Amino acid sequence: EVQLVESGGGLVQPGGSLRLSCAASGFTFSSYSMNWVRQAPGKGLEWVSYISGSGSTIYFTDSVKGRFTISRDNAKNALSLQMNSLRDEDTAVYYCARVLTTSRFDPWGQGTLVTVSS
Amino acid sequence: QSALTQPRSVSGSPGQSVTISCTGTSSDVGVFNYVSWYLQHPGKAPQVMIYDVTKRPSGVPDRFSGSKSGNTASLTISGLQAEDEADYYCCSYAGSSSWVFGGGTRLTVL
Repeated sequence: EVQLVESGGGLVQPGGSLRLSCAASGFTFSSYSMNWVRQAPGKGLEWVSYISGSGSTIYFTDSVKGRFTISRDNAKNALSLQMNSLRDEDTAVYYCARVLTTSRFDPWGQGTLVTVSS
Repeated sequence: QSALTQPRSVSGSPGQSVTISCTGTSSDVGVFNYVSWYLQHPGKAPQVMIYDVTKRPSGVPDRFSGSKSGNTASLTISGLQAEDEADYYCCSYAGSSSWVFGGGTRLTVL
């Protein structure tokens, strides 16, 4: 079964850091690009970051550039999102998703909640 | 990138059809045939219902269909069923490995 499991969410103060992880199983992880997508409480979905299968190509949405870092360890089937200088507006459920095709994110993990608050 | 525009809510009775629109720009929906639709039940992860504007993953009922005209994409659900009640999000590729989502539409089955 193809599965993605996120972890690492929690409560952090503004300006703090958090590292999210996404464990992949059931498919050849290195063959697929991956995305992080977030959803603020009661709000819609927002694409956050992309990483190619090899890790050589990386993109971020403008609001997190310079603060977030995405990486992957293909030997461990693991995706990470390092979040620094966190702001209140980064509060959201963060999902990792496999980029099956350019317009098909499938599957998604169950999400991990990040709360930025003092 | 600005979010794609979707109606906040739509509703229909069981057996009826509903259409959800998704309006973007000539930089996303209008130029790429990479529009997808995601269903999200409360507290659950999104799941893809339509991709590449019109394609359905295996397991998605053929009651779900997608289309696009100019800068606007649409999701039509025919033969509404109670389990279709959920939030629906459109998504478009916007170039340079970036994507933009719509604000979401709450579908209520009356």
